[in-house]
Amino acid sequence: DAKTTQPTSMDCAEGRAANLPCNHSTISGNEYVYWYRQIHSQGPQYIIHGLKNNETNEMASLIITEDRKSSTLILPHATLRDTAVYYCIVSVRAGGTSYGKLTFGQGTILTVHP
Amino acid sequence: NAGVTQTPKFRVLKTGQSMTLLCAQDMNHEYMYWYRQDPGMGLRLIHYSVGEGTTAKGEVPDGYNVSRLKKQNFLLGLESAAPSQTSVYFCASSYTARDRLTYEQYFGPGTRLTVT
Repeated sequence: DAKTTQPTSMDCAEGRAANLPCNHSTISGNEYVYWYRQIHSQGPQYIIHGLKNNETNEMASLIITEDRKSSTLILPHATLRDTAVYYCIVSVRAGGTSYGKLTFGQGTILTVHP
Repeated sequence: NAGVTQTPKFRVLKTGQSMTLLCAQDMNHEYMYWYRQDPGMGLRLIHYSVGEGTTAKGEVPDGYNVSRLKKQNFLLGLESAAPSQTSVYFCASSYTARDRLTYEQYFGPGTRLTVT
């Protein structure tokens, strides 16, 4: 699995957009970019995933560069409840011969301030 | 629809004792996983299962055993607990190909285990 690099921590003002970067320069053609977050002491929560196109859902947007070597997770209007550790993970999709392995790194600690 | 549930939520064991952690999911997922998370660290995969009756080793399997006798349940056993197994244990499930394809993993709330 490709390795990812994320900043250790970031701050964001409540109501503003939070943009969390991730580098994955060794990503393979069949690997997806996944984002999960972990709010203090809780189990990780899936946010979004993508292959090469930009994706948007009710929680966030995912922007993947054309060469797929980096991506940005965007929380459009951050709230205090978005304070969490955000993990960027690259992995092949579950199914077939793959069990959907997720390798969690240290992640980015996002703190949203009032 | 309870999602993924874990039993118990907390447990304190003495070195050498045994216990079983239970994970249950009601989403008809094929795949299930056990992770551990040590303080300040990301999650590490212990064992996983791609279907009823099947199990496989993950990244840190030593000292643990698992069983998946029923599709909805995934059990993690510690035969002889050691202080190094003090951790938070998370179960997750994913992937159903029948009604809709789901690729994300759904996690339980965790079990906090302390071995003294």
